[in-house]
Amino acid sequence: EVQLVESGGGLVQPGGSLRLSCAASGFTFSSHWMHWVRQGPGKGLVWVSRINPDGSSTSYADSVEGRFAISRDNAKNTLYLQMNSLRAEDTAVYYCVRDTNPMDVWGKGTTVTVSS
Amino acid sequence: EIVLTQSPGTLSLSPGERATLSCRASQSVSSSYLAWYQQKPGQAPRLLIYGASSRATGIPDRFSGSGSGTDFTLTISRLEPEDFAVYSCQQYANFPYTFGQGTKLEIK
Repeated sequence: EVQLVESGGGLVQPGGSLRLSCAASGFTFSSHWMHWVRQGPGKGLVWVSRINPDGSSTSYADSVEGRFAISRDNAKNTLYLQMNSLRAEDTAVYYCVRDTNPMDVWGKGTTVTVSS
Repeated sequence: EIVLTQSPGTLSLSPGERATLSCRASQSVSSSYLAWYQQKPGQAPRLLIYGASSRATGIPDRFSGSGSGTDFTLTISRLEPEDFAVYSCQQYANFPYTFGQGTKLEIK
């Protein structure tokens, strides 16, 4: 079964950091582009970041550029999102998503709350 | 950035009725790169339609997608109780990928 399982969310103070992880199974992780997409409370889906299969190319939404860093470890079938300088507006459920053009498999998400 | 505007914001219908949801883009989107997702409370989005009109694996044929250019439609031919959810469109033709704000389909 194709599966994505996120972890690492939690409560963090403004200005703090968190690292999200996404464990992939049931498919050849190293062959796929991967994304992070977030959804604020009661809001729509917003694309955050993407990474190519070998990790050599990354892209970010303007709202997180310079603060977030996406990476992957293909040996461990794991995707990461390092989030620094967190703001209240980063509060959201963060989803890990596989890209087969379209985005076809989503994890259940991990919740990040930025609050003092 | 391509802005996707969905209408209506909320659609109230009864089981058995037909649902028509709209997604309008601020500029032309290649129909090969327009997707629809279903999301239920507390759950992750589920891919329904890709390439504007192709159903994803396991999606019932009561779901259909159509459209081109800037106007796209998701149709649910005969609503089942499990279809009441939020539906979002997404374009993955131009970077950054963008989503509509969603249409909530609720039971009347």
